[in-house]
Amino acid sequence: SQKIEQNSEALNIQEGKTATLTCNYTNYSPAYLQWYRQDPGRGPVFLLLIRENEKEKRKERLKVTFDTTLKQSLFHITASQPADSATYLCALDSGVANDYKLSFGAGTTVTVRA
Amino acid sequence: NAGVTQTPKFQVLKTGQSMTLQCAQDMNHEYMSWYRQDPGMGLRLIHYSVGAGITDQGEVPNGYNVSRSTTEDFPLRLLSAAPSQTSVYFCASGHQRDGLAGVRETQYFGPGTRLLVL
Repeated sequence: SQKIEQNSEALNIQEGKTATLTCNYTNYSPAYLQWYRQDPGRGPVFLLLIRENEKEKRKERLKVTFDTTLKQSLFHITASQPADSATYLCALDSGVANDYKLSFGAGTTVTVRA
Repeated sequence: NAGVTQTPKFQVLKTGQSMTLQCAQDMNHEYMSWYRQDPGMGLRLIHYSVGAGITDQGEVPNGYNVSRSTTEDFPLRLLSAAPSQTSVYFCASGHQRDGLAGVRETQYFGPGTRLLVL
């Protein structure tokens, strides 16, 4: 069966450092991989989408890599700020037409200390 | 644009009761879906819809029904609530632009409904 694993431990980092989150998957061939941010008591909010033929995507201080050989995505937050404290979810999409379903990992909680 | 709205925000049910969780979106998205989120398990897909009149089961459909009579609304019905259905429920909507498999847009999530079944 499909399995999606994110960092099992919460991540605590100092302001200004880079946070690196991992998303590993098995028994899946996603065409797309998305990262979402979720704050306590709120719904997930989209951050970045990367396609299977893309190695890297950037948006401001965020960077995502996608290695289909390793079956892994890395999510980086550079120059981290306390406002980046949240839970980050990775989500996989098979890309099949008319079948837009996301399979989510359990998430990694990031705390950035001032 | 209100985005994706969900009602109620919080609900307490007794075992065996039924209820409907409401979800509406005003972005003309063809895709809508329901997820439940439990501690340590991530979001799990319950049911989804690719357009009005079309619904399909996700990963954990048992005990839930859906219908999609309009593009905007996608209600989730709990037929006979059980304590195992205590969870936070999220509705989401999104586009698959131009009907192409190779083009996706983000999914937008509602604020969630927190359900407690006693």
